Amino acid sequence: GAVVSQHPSWVICKSGTSVKIECRSLDFQATTMFWYRQFPKQSLMLMATSNEGSKATYEQGVEKDKFLINHASLTLSTLTVTSAHPEDSSFYICSAVREGRGNSPLHFGNGTRLTVT
Amino acid sequence: GQSLEQPSEVTAVEGAIVQINCTYQTSGFYGLSWYQQHDGGAPTFLSYNGLDGLEETGRFSSFLSRSDSYGYLLLQELQMKDSASYFCAVILNTGGFKTIFGAGTRLFVKA
Repeated sequence: GAVVSQHPSWVICKSGTSVKIECRSLDFQATTMFWYRQFPKQSLMLMATSNEGSKATYEQGVEKDKFLINHASLTLSTLTVTSAHPEDSSFYICSAVREGRGNSPLHFGNGTRLTVT
Repeated sequence: GQSLEQPSEVTAVEGAIVQINCTYQTSGFYGLSWYQQHDGGAPTFLSYNGLDGLEETGRFSSFLSRSDSYGYLLLQELQMKDSASYFCAVILNTGGFKTIFGAGTRLFVKA
């Protein structure tokens, strides 16, 4: 159990366009989901905490108007990269934790590799 | 701010034991987790310590000392497939939970 599905697994888009990434918990309910960004051979940087039915909480330095997060249900959170630029190219990974389990363990999606040309 | 320190790289031979240390400076500390990530893959959960002491899960063990702000991951009977990056991650509770990751330790297992 505890499967998190992330889609798409990779996407190439042109500079100035927007890209939506979906994160679904398939067999459990996740009140909270987390979005991370990872550069090659580097750590996972927490971007924001996505809370079902309320506004996301963004980490310092993350532009909320650029990275739009919507958590419409207990099993789905979306990240939209708006007006993408080449510097937004990265590996984006979502994670979810079962309701009532504190924050462990985090169950990760397989990530989305975004390339902006 | 929050900071986590772990070695950037460790090399060991098959069958050996390796310990990856992690020290942290955080506010709102709740617990320490460890994750494994193979190149191109998603992180997978290995172990969690909410209390001081040792947690054992098969070949992997993890230790936490809250008073020393220190923990470690112990990998025994190393196998080639253990070559990966290992991240210590602190769980913070500052009015809500979140997990912050260290920079990761790349483990190379040699035959």
